[in-house]
Amino acid sequence: GENVEQHPSTLSVQEGDSAVIKCTYSDSASNYFPWYKQELGKGPQLIIDIRSNVGEKKDQRIAVTLNKTAKHFSLHITETQPEDSAVYFCAASQFAGNQFYFGTGTSLTVIP
Amino acid sequence: DTAVSQTPKYLVTQMGNDKSIKCEQNLGHDTMYWYKQDSKKFLKIMFSYNNKELIINETVPNRFSPKSPDKAHLNLHINSLELGDSAVYFCASSGAGTSGTLYTDTQYFGPGTRLTVL
Repeated sequence: GENVEQHPSTLSVQEGDSAVIKCTYSDSASNYFPWYKQELGKGPQLIIDIRSNVGEKKDQRIAVTLNKTAKHFSLHITETQPEDSAVYFCAASQFAGNQFYFGTGTSLTVIP
Repeated sequence: DTAVSQTPKYLVTQMGNDKSIKCEQNLGHDTMYWYKQDSKKFLKIMFSYNNKELIINETVPNRFSPKSPDKAHLNLHINSLELGDSAVYFCASSGAGTSGTLYTDTQYFGPGTRLTVL
């Protein structure tokens, strides 16, 4: 089965700096890679996703890059703000079956 | 409008009791899930239902029994609760629906139910 590893487990950055979270996956058949943000006391919320037919996707301050050869993908947050503080999860999936394999989460703290 | 809702939000109960958590989605999705999140924040799939049929059943004690009366609902019933069942349980849904969602396999999560077994 798929194995998703996520690093780092905790990350502290100064407001305005960039944050990068990295994930690796093991199953080359995985072709859908979402990122979720979980705020305290809430459910995970999709913030961005990428499919295997593209190498990069950007949405305002958030971007995701995918390297299929190396089987890793990363979340980049620029100009971080205190409200970006949360736990971030990566996941990998294939279209059929919809089984999501989640990383272990990264607790991001943005220091004002 | 709430897309995926769960009730109750908090559930405190004694060991040995039986309890249920309800989940409803109004996205018109055809697949629903239950996840367990432990104190270390690990998200672990428990069950997945597609059109009311069980398609994923991870290694979960048979004290946990999902019930899907229709495509929009997936309830979780837990018998003989144990201390180790204390966690946050999340319902999620995915699949082509009527809400105009662009991606057919993105999962949308509910707000969670925090279960505490004393």
